[in-house]
Amino acid sequence: KQEVTQIPAALSVPEGENLVLNCSFTDSAIYNLQWFRQDPGKGLTSLLLIQSSQREQTSGRLNASLDKSSGRSTLYIAASQPGDSATYLCASNDYKLSFGAGTTVTVRA
Amino acid sequence: DGGITQSPKYLFRKEGQNVTLSCEQNLNHDAMYWYRQDPGQGLRLIYYSQIVNDFQKGDIAEGYSVSREKKESFPLTVTSAQKNPTAFYLCASSIDQLGRETQYFGPGTRLLVL
Repeated sequence: KQEVTQIPAALSVPEGENLVLNCSFTDSAIYNLQWFRQDPGKGLTSLLLIQSSQREQTSGRLNASLDKSSGRSTLYIAASQPGDSATYLCASNDYKLSFGAGTTVTVRA
Repeated sequence: DGGITQSPKYLFRKEGQNVTLSCEQNLNHDAMYWYRQDPGQGLRLIYYSQIVNDFQKGDIAEGYSVSREKKESFPLTVTSAQKNPTAFYLCASSIDQLGRETQYFGPGTRLLVL
C-alpha cells in the first residue's frame, strides 16, 4: 500500500523567502504526482501535476520536481507572499490518489 | 460557471441517524470521488465512480453508501453503522475514467455528531 509522507508538518517564513516543501512516497510505480493547495475549511485546488516520465513542472512562481527512483517530490515556491499561506498536499497517483497529511505554511508579512 | 457544488456546508447527525451529503458537478466529468479528511491526516478515499450506474469501494467504505444514477450527481450517505463520522467530506471529479488526470474538488461538507 502506498504511503505518502510530507515533512515538515508546518513551516513559518518571512515574506520574500523561498519555500521548499518535501513529499516522499514508498511505491515508485506511479502514474503521476500531484500538488494541491487547501485554504482553511475549503476544498483542494490543483497546483501542478507531474507525469511519471517528467522530472519537473513549472507554473509561475511554483516549480515541482519528481525523482521516482528515490520516491521524492519537492515543491518550490519562489519569493513567498502572505497569500501563499495555506496547507499544501501532495498525492501520488497509481490510478488512485494517495495523499500526504500536508505541510501548513505561514508567510509572515 | 463550471464546477462542483456540495451541500450542505455543515451537517449535524444524531445517534442512529442516516444522513446524505450532496455532490453535483457540471463539468461533464465521467469519474467522481468521495474523500474523508480528519485533522492532521491526508484525504482517504471512501468511494469512487468511473461511470454512471457503477461505483467501487475505496479504502474506508464501511459505514458509507453511494449511488450514481446521473452523470452529474454522486450523493454519499453516512449510515448509522459509521461510528465515528465527524470529519470534513470532500467530493471530487475527473474527466478521465481511469483517474490519470487531475481531480477537481468541491468546497466540502463538515459533518458533526450531536
